[in-house]
Amino acid sequence: QVQLVESGGGVVQPGRSLRLSCAASGFAFSSHGMHWVRQAPGKGLEWVAFIWYDVSNKYYADSVRGRFTISRDNSMNTLYLQMNSLRAEDTAVYYCARDLAPVVTSIDTWGQGTLVTVSS
Amino acid sequence: QSALTQPPSASGSPGQTVTISCTGTRRDVGDYNYVSWYQQYPGQAPKLMIYEVTKRPSGVPDRFSGSKSGNTASLTVSGLQAEDEADYYCSAYAGANNLYVFGTGTKVSVL
Repeated sequence: QVQLVESGGGVVQPGRSLRLSCAASGFAFSSHGMHWVRQAPGKGLEWVAFIWYDVSNKYYADSVRGRFTISRDNSMNTLYLQMNSLRAEDTAVYYCARDLAPVVTSIDTWGQGTLVTVSS
Repeated sequence: QSALTQPPSASGSPGQTVTISCTGTRRDVGDYNYVSWYQQYPGQAPKLMIYEVTKRPSGVPDRFSGSKSGNTASLTVSGLQAEDEADYYCSAYAGANNLYVFGTGTKVSVL
């Protein structure tokens, strides 16, 4: 079955970096666009970043542009999120999510999420 | 990148109908038919309930339906059941600049 498994979350100090990974299985990973979405404790969903199926285009929310980098390795069926210059407001559960299409349309599958806590 | 506007809460008794609105702008909900709805239980990942305004993924009960008029999309839950008590979020494609936006979320309670 379709599965997305995030890893790499944890506690990190403000200003430091963290890299999240998302291992995909059960579908043709290289045929789908992929998103990162986050949810701060007790808050709503916030879209973070998107990458086309072929890596040719990447998009970011204003709140993370210039600090976060989305990437993917289609040979390894893995999605990444490199997070630099982390701030307290980046504290959230980060979800890896699959788009229905090669480019952006709708998210149809979500991972279970990984918690990132930015605190000194 | 402003969030789409949803009412904070909605409620109904078992068997009743609840409708949740999702208001955006012409640049997101209005111009594109890529509006989705997600159900989220506490501590769990969201689940897709409606995509492309009106389409229902396999396995989603037909009690859930979607629609759109102008810059406002709606999710209707008919024949409300206890298991429908959850948070619901809309989302929309917002064009090449802002790309993707979520709604503020609505907590549905079954009385």
